[in-house]
Amino acid sequence: KQEVTQIPAALSVPEGENLVLNCSFTDSAIYNLQWFRQDPGKGLTSLLLIQSSQREQTSGRLNASLDKSSGRSTLYIAASQPGDSATYLCAVGTSGTYKYIFGTGTRLKVLA
Amino acid sequence: NAGVTQTPKFRVLKTGQSMTLLCAQDMNHEYMYWYRQDPGMGLRLIHYSVGEGTTAKGEVPDGYNVSRLKKQNFLLGLESAAPSQTSVYFCASRGLSRETQYFGPGTRLLVL
Repeated sequence: KQEVTQIPAALSVPEGENLVLNCSFTDSAIYNLQWFRQDPGKGLTSLLLIQSSQREQTSGRLNASLDKSSGRSTLYIAASQPGDSATYLCAVGTSGTYKYIFGTGTRLKVLA
Repeated sequence: NAGVTQTPKFRVLKTGQSMTLLCAQDMNHEYMYWYRQDPGMGLRLIHYSVGEGTTAKGEVPDGYNVSRLKKQNFLLGLESAAPSQTSVYFCASRGLSRETQYFGPGTRLLVL
């Protein structure tokens, strides 16, 4: 059974810092991995999608990497801003199913 | 193009009452999903559908039923609501290829 873990559960950083959020999964047979952002009381917004054949994806100040063999993905945020404050969730699509398993998220606060 | 919409946005039920949550998408997506989100537990998959007329169980299906009579709509039913079903419910959809999941804004349900 696929299990997805995100550590740390919460993180506070000063504005301008570069930071890394972690996502670990137990079953390496995945077909893609997706990073989402969720603002309080809102739905989820997709940030980056990495297919199983890819090693990384970039969008603006965000870079996501994937290492299937070690069961890890990282989301790198460069030059963090107060507007980046939100909860970040990763979701793993497991091969052979149409289902996604979510981590419990990392709550990020960027201090001005 | 509204994306994924959910009706209602908020509802209060008494124990034992029934209700239906509606999810609609206008992106011609094949796959649709219902999740619930509870504090500290991330998103958990309730039921999903891989096409019109099909449904399948997710991680936490007990107490819920679903129907997908039309491709654009995915209904989640609670036949006899229980306080344990107090949660925020999210609907999502995605296309046939390994695409991004798109989420609705959520429905907050309180069962007294």
